[in-house]
This record gives sequence, structure tokens and C-alpha cells, in this order.
Amino acid sequence: QSVLTQPPSVSGAPGQRVTISCTGSGSNIGSPYDVHWYQQLPGTAPKLLIYGNTNRPSGVPDRFSGSKSGTSASLAITGLQAEDEAFYYCQSFDSSLSGSGVVFGGGTKLTVL
Amino acid sequence: QEHLAESGGGLVKPGGSLRLSCVASGFTFSDYDMRWIRQAPGKGLEWVSDISSSSRYTNYADAVKGRFTISRDNAKNSLFLEMNSLRVEDTAVYYCANSGGGYNYGQGASDVWGQGTTVTVSS
Repeated sequence: QSVLTQPPSVSGAPGQRVTISCTGSGSNIGSPYDVHWYQQLPGTAPKLLIYGNTNRPSGVPDRFSGSKSGTSASLAITGLQAEDEAFYYCQSFDSSLSGSGVVFGGGTKLTVL
Repeated sequence: QEHLAESGGGLVKPGGSLRLSCVASGFTFSDYDMRWIRQAPGKGLEWVSDISSSSRYTNYADAVKGRFTISRDNAKNSLFLEMNSLRVEDTAVYYCANSGGGYNYGQGASDVWGQGTTVTVSS
């Protein structure tokens, strides 16, 4: 059971727009700690896609965008392409009475139809 | 080009120990907090441990607290994870990664990852 909740899967046709949600709580995303997003292709290490809720590292296409509101964040992918088929993970920081540390969402498998 | 390279993974029996290493190149290692993240077969990413740039601060996931120890040697651009009392559920690919600058300890994003080293705990 992950601290951050993501849908297990999403899908879309080439050219379409999809969104992936990441739901947390007042001790993490709502605290408010930043949310970061990663893309993981099969058999490879994760790649940073979005940092600080909305920022793209250099080299990441502007088809990828992030947003955050309250205790949730979202990753949007527009103009879906076949190479976007991958797992996507959100990450934040959690601080509570029992301790603090990095937390990840369970991951979302994006299928391009 | 920033690069991280892990080593030290392998097959170990339950209750055994392993020491993972991660060597950095292409960036100023001593400027960055660092972390270990693992991924069990067919599962998602799981944070294991963080260490601050100067080694002053460390923290661990509850699942490994008391069994794993993170450390670093800035003079050798190296990060380590000492794993003791290993369990079957510790089986995973272990990644080292940086924790990006400009953030408070523990809160940064990881824009540099190693290729991972596989740890298998089985009798």
C-alpha cells in the first residue's frame, strides 16, 4: 500500500491527451511538499520527467506537464506517442509523528492504443 | 555527463549481508544529497535511504531501519549501502540516485540514476 495513490493503468490513442493522478494527504503533498514525476521504460532506470510540481528538466518535451492542487498532483501528456508507453511514478516527501522520508506512488502503466 | 554506477549485488541467503557501492562521475558528488531506491520484481519504486551531502543526516524506510546503513566517501565520489539480516522481501534491483540541489534534505528530485544492481535473497 503506497502512501501516494496512483491509478494502476491509463490508456489513450496516439495524439490524445491523458492525465495521471497522484493523491496524497496533509502530511505529504498537502504539507506542502513538492511532487516529482518519473518515467520508467521497461528494463531501464527511471528518468526524471517533472520536478517541483511543474518544471521540466532540459530535454523533456513540453508535451509533458505537471500540476498540483491541495493534496493531489497530476501529470498530463498531450499528443500521445507510441514511445510514451511506460510506467509513471510520482514522488513526494512525507513528514508525520512516526517519521519522515521519501514516498512514491504505486506507479501507473500507460498504454498507447 | 553525470553518471552513477552501482555494484555489489548478488545472491545471498536469508540472514546474510551485502555491501552495495555506487561511484559517481561527471558532477560534484560532494554537493549532493544521495539516496538508494529499490524495485522488487514486477513492483514499483520503493525509497530505501537518504544521506545528506556531508553525511550529517541519514534516514531510512521503516522496512530497512536497523538492518541497512547508508554511508558515503566524498573523497572517492562513492555511496554505500551496508545490508544486514537480509530477508527474502529485500530482493530487488537497487538504484543509487542523487537528490537534486535547491531543496531541503530529503525533498529533492533525482535527475541522475545508476543502472541498478540486483540483490536476490533466497535459500
